[in-house]
Amino acid sequence: DTGVSQDPRHKITKRGQNVTFRCDPISEHNRLYWYRQTLGQGPEFLTYFQNEAQLEKSRLLSDRFSAERPKGSFSTLEIQRTEQGDSAMYLCASSSTLAGANYEQYFGPGTRLTVT
Amino acid sequence: AQSVTQPDIHITVSEGASLELRCNYSYGATPYLFWYVQSPGQGLQLLLKYFSGDTLVQGIKGFEAEFKRSQSSFNLRKPSVHWSDAAEYFCAAGLSGSARQLTFGSGTQLTVLP
Repeated sequence: DTGVSQDPRHKITKRGQNVTFRCDPISEHNRLYWYRQTLGQGPEFLTYFQNEAQLEKSRLLSDRFSAERPKGSFSTLEIQRTEQGDSAMYLCASSSTLAGANYEQYFGPGTRLTVT
Repeated sequence: AQSVTQPDIHITVSEGASLELRCNYSYGATPYLFWYVQSPGQGLQLLLKYFSGDTLVQGIKGFEAEFKRSQSSFNLRKPSVHWSDAAEYFCAAGLSGSARQLTFGSGTQLTVLP
């Protein structure tokens, strides 16, 4: 069990550019979540996948944001035409719904995005 | 709307003193409840959780939390704080049965004085 990993850890981009983040969940976990955390706040739910299906999306996820989990393993979160308000820590988490699982979400270290 | 409130933005305690961090929730039904800790530059680490049953739950690093349905609270406690406990603490709630979309409080920053 290597834990949830995220790449890159830090990203600085100019306003208007597109960025993509990657999350690798714990290998046996079938659920994957994306959260956004701004300074001084708790994480806010963005979206989650069960296997490759995206089952819920928050209203925070504007049409500039898109997430995929094509083979039910890793996931990507893309932000198009970034705005300064997108500057935040983007956290990924995973959990299992298999028999005997405990619904605990395990978080990765996050990707800190700075839009200049 | 579902919400989690942590009334204390910042708490300072002396090393060795006891600690209590407050958490209140507003949900349609009793949710699953969690406490996470976040150190600078780190992701969130789960300290403990409450799903059902015994209302006093034990977690890692000597933490415990008590669920009080009548007060819609899930306060985190530690009898003796260590300097390494300095971090930000988040209370979170999720729908019972799946805990898929967690709602987090805004966090309590803990400072530990030597």
